[in-house]
Amino acid sequence: AQSVAQPEDQVNVAEGNPLTVKCTYSVSGNPYLFWYVQYPNRGLQFLLKYITGDNLVKGSYGFEAEFNKSQTSFHLKKPSALVSDSALYFCAVRGGYQKVTFGTGTKLQVIP
Amino acid sequence: NAGVTQTPKFQVLKTGQSMTLQCAQDMNHEYMSWYRQDPGMGLRLIHYSVGAGITDQGEVPNGYNVSRSTTEDFPLRLLSAAPSQTSVYFCASSYSTGAKNTEAFFGQGTRLTVV
Repeated sequence: AQSVAQPEDQVNVAEGNPLTVKCTYSVSGNPYLFWYVQYPNRGLQFLLKYITGDNLVKGSYGFEAEFNKSQTSFHLKKPSALVSDSALYFCAVRGGYQKVTFGTGTKLQVIP
Repeated sequence: NAGVTQTPKFQVLKTGQSMTLQCAQDMNHEYMSWYRQDPGMGLRLIHYSVGAGITDQGEVPNGYNVSRSTTEDFPLRLLSAAPSQTSVYFCASSYSTGAKNTEAFFGQGTRLTVV
């Protein structure tokens, strides 16, 4: 069965500092990997994805993620955090039978 | 483009009542799914569909039914509401894998309370 682990319930980072939100996955075959962001009382919004190709993918709002096949990881990164980046972040994997499995989410708090 | 439209936004049910959460998309996506979001649990897949006439169970299907008679619509039925079904429900749609753009589009959610 496919699965996603986000080991940190919350990540705190000072504004202007780099941020990393961790994600590891398990899936049969080649993974389709995604990051989504959720602001309070809203649906999820797509940030970026890895399908194939370069291991470093760039997405919306200056976010990027690094795919590491040997470590089965897909960590979300941003060089300089903004207060407006504070939100709930979800990692997801799409595998066999088209199913998409989400992690439990990581709350990012950017401190001014 | 309206994207993914969910109705209603809020609903209060009494235990034992039934209701249908509506979901419609106008992007001609083959894949549609329903999730519930509970604190500390992330999004858990209830049911999904890879095309009209085809549905399958996710992680937490008990107490819910779905059907997919058209590409656009994917309603979720609660057969006999229970307090454990109090949650926020999200509908999502996407192209199937193999397409270049397979990311999901989400509705705004339905906040359901069962008393």
